[in-house]
Amino acid sequence: AQSVAQPEDQVNVAEGNPLTVKCTYSVSGNPYLFWYVQYPNRGLQFLLKYITGDNLVKGSYGFEAEFNKSQTSFHLKKPSALVSDSALYFCAVRDGNFNKFYFGSGTKLNVKP
Amino acid sequence: GAVVSQHPSRVICKSGTSVKIECRSLDFQATTMFWYRQFPKKSLMLMATSNEGSKATYEQGVEKDKFLINHASLTLSTLTVTSAHPEDSSFYICSARSGTGGSNQPQHFGDGTRLSIL
Repeated sequence: AQSVAQPEDQVNVAEGNPLTVKCTYSVSGNPYLFWYVQYPNRGLQFLLKYITGDNLVKGSYGFEAEFNKSQTSFHLKKPSALVSDSALYFCAVRDGNFNKFYFGSGTKLNVKP
Repeated sequence: GAVVSQHPSRVICKSGTSVKIECRSLDFQATTMFWYRQFPKKSLMLMATSNEGSKATYEQGVEKDKFLINHASLTLSTLTVTSAHPEDSSFYICSARSGTGGSNQPQHFGDGTRLSIL
C-alpha cells in the first residue's frame, strides 16, 4: 500500500532563512510524489511533482524538493522563506494502479518576520 | 490553466436538508474527479473517485446513499449530501485530473465548500 508520512506537525522558521518540510514515503513500485500547499479555507495548490529524472525538482514560488530513494524521502525546501509562505503543506503519493492520491497529515509552516 | 471551480464556498443549513456541491473544471476536460473531506487541522480523506459517465467508486466507510456523486460531463461533478446532519459538517474539497498528458498529471483542487449543519 502507498503512504506518506510528514513527521512534523509544525515548522517554525524566520523570514529569510532556509526552510525544510519533511516527507517520507512508502510505495510498491515507482514513486509518484507531489507537494501541495493549502491556505486557510482554500483548496490545495500544486507546487511540484517527482515522476522520474533529476532528483532535485523545482516548483512554484521558489520551492524545490529533493527525491532521495535510499532514504525514501521527498523533502520540500526553499532557500529563503517569506512570511507569505506560511500555510499548510501536504505531501502526496499517487497510487499507480488506481490513480488515487494519498496525502500526508500535513505540516503547518510558520514564517515569522 | 487548470482551474477548478467549486460552488458554493459556504453553506449553512438546517438538519435534514440535502445540499448539492458543484465542481467544475473551467479550462480542461476532467475524466476523473475526486471528492475529499477535511476535518479541522487534519489531512484530506478521500471519499470517492468520480469518472465521467460511470458510477463513482466510494472509499471504504463512505455511505453511497448519503453522499451522492454524479459526473455527467467532462467538466462537472456534483456531490449531494442527502438529509444532512450536524456530524456531516466539514470542509469538502473536489479535485480534477485532466485526461490528457498521462495519468501522472497532478490533481487540481477547487477552493472547497464549508458545510455547516445546524
